[in-house]
Amino acid sequence: GEDVEQSLFLSVREGDSSVINCTYTDSSSTYLYWYKQEPGAGLQLLTYIFSNMDMKQDQRLTVLLNKKDKHLSLRIADTQTGDSAIYFCAEKDNAGNMLTFGGGTRLMVKP
Amino acid sequence: GAVVSQHPSRVICKSGTSVKIECRSLDFQATTMFWYRQFPKQSLMLMATSNEGSKATYEQGVEKDKFLINHASLTLSTLTVTSAHPEDSSFYICSARSSTPSFDTQYFGPGTRLTVL
Repeated sequence: GEDVEQSLFLSVREGDSSVINCTYTDSSSTYLYWYKQEPGAGLQLLTYIFSNMDMKQDQRLTVLLNKKDKHLSLRIADTQTGDSAIYFCAEKDNAGNMLTFGGGTRLMVKP
Repeated sequence: GAVVSQHPSRVICKSGTSVKIECRSLDFQATTMFWYRQFPKQSLMLMATSNEGSKATYEQGVEKDKFLINHASLTLSTLTVTSAHPEDSSFYICSARSSTPSFDTQYFGPGTRLTVL
């Protein structure tokens, strides 16, 4: 089946840029998403990218997609302490309506 | 963005009781809703897909008689944990699918923390 993988942990200093990486195996992915989860809360959709796009920027967030390598990244510019959370990437294939989630990357922002 | 609510946000119950969790899409209609379970420091595990007006589709290993799902309207799905036991203690999250010709995603509820004593 499909597989989505992320590194477990990332630590950055406030003001620096954060880059969270994700790899996936399903070549039929249509949408790829980034969700943010704060402690004790549900998932918040941060941004998404359609599979025919290479890059998408939304304020401090930049998503890069390398479809050939099946690699997705989320860059957070000027990272703030409020960005500390777990970030999940997810992909949706063309066939169904389910999402396949990565294991989540815990981002810690140090002041 | 679209809003999905869940109630209750937290529940503590005794072993053997049943607990109902509601998931509502507040500003859009969702023919498909999903129920996930999340263990501490782990990713989300899909339990079942809830389709309005029809039976839910359960993932392998999820007991359908234990986790009853009802999707009676386009804005409401309920998950009932029947005869709950301590091992059912978890964080349960629902999501509602929003699908338009140009965009398709799931919006998540805030989650329900279930503790079974």
